Amino acid sequence: EVQVVESGGGLVQPGGSLRLSCSVSGFTLSDHYMDWVRQAPGKGLEWVGRTRNKPKGYTTDYAASVKGRFTVSRDDSKTLVHLQMNGLKTEDTAVYYCIRVTAGAGHYFDNWGQGTLVTVSS
Amino acid sequence: QSVLTQPPSVSAAPGQRVTISCSGSSSNIGNDYVSWYQQLPGTAPKVLIYDNNKRPSGIPDRFSGSKSGTSATLGITGLQTGDEADYYCGTWDSSLSAVVFGGGTTLTVL
Repeated sequence: EVQVVESGGGLVQPGGSLRLSCSVSGFTLSDHYMDWVRQAPGKGLEWVGRTRNKPKGYTTDYAASVKGRFTVSRDDSKTLVHLQMNGLKTEDTAVYYCIRVTAGAGHYFDNWGQGTLVTVSS
Repeated sequence: QSVLTQPPSVSAAPGQRVTISCSGSSSNIGNDYVSWYQQLPGTAPKVLIYDNNKRPSGIPDRFSGSKSGTSATLGITGLQTGDEADYYCGTWDSSLSAVVFGGGTTLTVL
């Protein structure tokens, strides 16, 4: 059974840093892209960033709103994916989902974690 | 302002059919495959449709997807109260080098 479990959320002051972790099991992590998507309270889904799989050289992409502040990384041997968030702003407050991406003809989000809440406030 | 445009809300009676539209451009929907996600209240989203019109195992055939040009549509037939949820379309945008979502559509089953 595929499992995706986030951790590391919490309360942080503006300008601070936080590192989210995503532990996966039930599949070979190196075969898959892994993405982060966030959802501010009462708002819609916003894509945050991506780490591609081993065949794609573990390349990354980021939303314009977080580029230069957030970093997605992975450790396939430990089946972990991380989201390092620096220079946090109040508008980064959201539930952050870690998601396995699967390739069909295109790419889609087939397994979502339960989410972890990040609150940026003084 | 979302890159993909969805109606904020739709409603219909139990047993009826509803469609949710998703409008984009040549750099996103016109250039890649569309997926649809259902988010029940208080839960994480789950995939309903991928590759424009394919259903993952376990998704009933009451749910369907289609794409034409720079627009996509999610269809739901035989509406049930359990279908009340937020629905999102998503795809890759080659100009932004980013995944883009619609703003979400809230379905109410009257």
